[in-house]
Amino acid sequence: KAGVTQTPRYLIKTRGQQVTLSCSPISGHRSVSWYQQTPGQGLQFLFEYFSETQRNKGNFPGRFSGRQFSNSRSEMNVSTLELGDSALYLCASSLLFGEGSPLHFGNGTRLTVT
Amino acid sequence: DQQVKQNSPSLSVQEGRISILNCDYTNSMFDYFLWYKKYPAEGPTFLISISSIKDKNEDGRFTVFLNKSAKHLSLHIVPSQPGDSAVYFCAASTGGGADGLTFGKGTHLIIQP
Repeated sequence: KAGVTQTPRYLIKTRGQQVTLSCSPISGHRSVSWYQQTPGQGLQFLFEYFSETQRNKGNFPGRFSGRQFSNSRSEMNVSTLELGDSALYLCASSLLFGEGSPLHFGNGTRLTVT
Repeated sequence: DQQVKQNSPSLSVQEGRISILNCDYTNSMFDYFLWYKKYPAEGPTFLISISSIKDKNEDGRFTVFLNKSAKHLSLHIVPSQPGDSAVYFCAASTGGGADGLTFGKGTHLIIQP
């Protein structure tokens, strides 16, 4: 069974631009979550989607948004990029949500903002 | 305000011995806890979880202990193997795991031969 696939693996953008990251969950998984990892803040929850609906959102500004498609694939978008947005963005999927359905992570997209 | 804390940034253990990784939390609403392992250039890999209604959960060489009164959990790895060298993250959630995970900053476990 293929794991969670994130594209691209690496991305370099300039301050002020916008970026879209893509995530394909494990086949059959309906829940997709996004996390940001930085050296200073560690892993922080961005948002979670289930059946194309955003179920939960972390404490990030509105520049961070996402969506989920009918095939469970998900994208996240960051507009008006800032230097502090440089991070590893991790996507995770699970069969359902809650206990007994742990998250399975992809290898991430490394975003560098210059 | 860090709600999940892993106070040891690194831990060195001899191969074959027990590795004990610790995690403290402050939010009494957390009711589902997990441990993840991460190798460089890879995403975190789920290891083991525990619900707040239990105080212990075992899976092979991995055991997680939960002390709710102390708001403390620990991961025991017995025996430690070279492939266990990685960064270990403790994570917690409210809503029975239905809410986003709050992660600790990780402990780098190094298994010495």
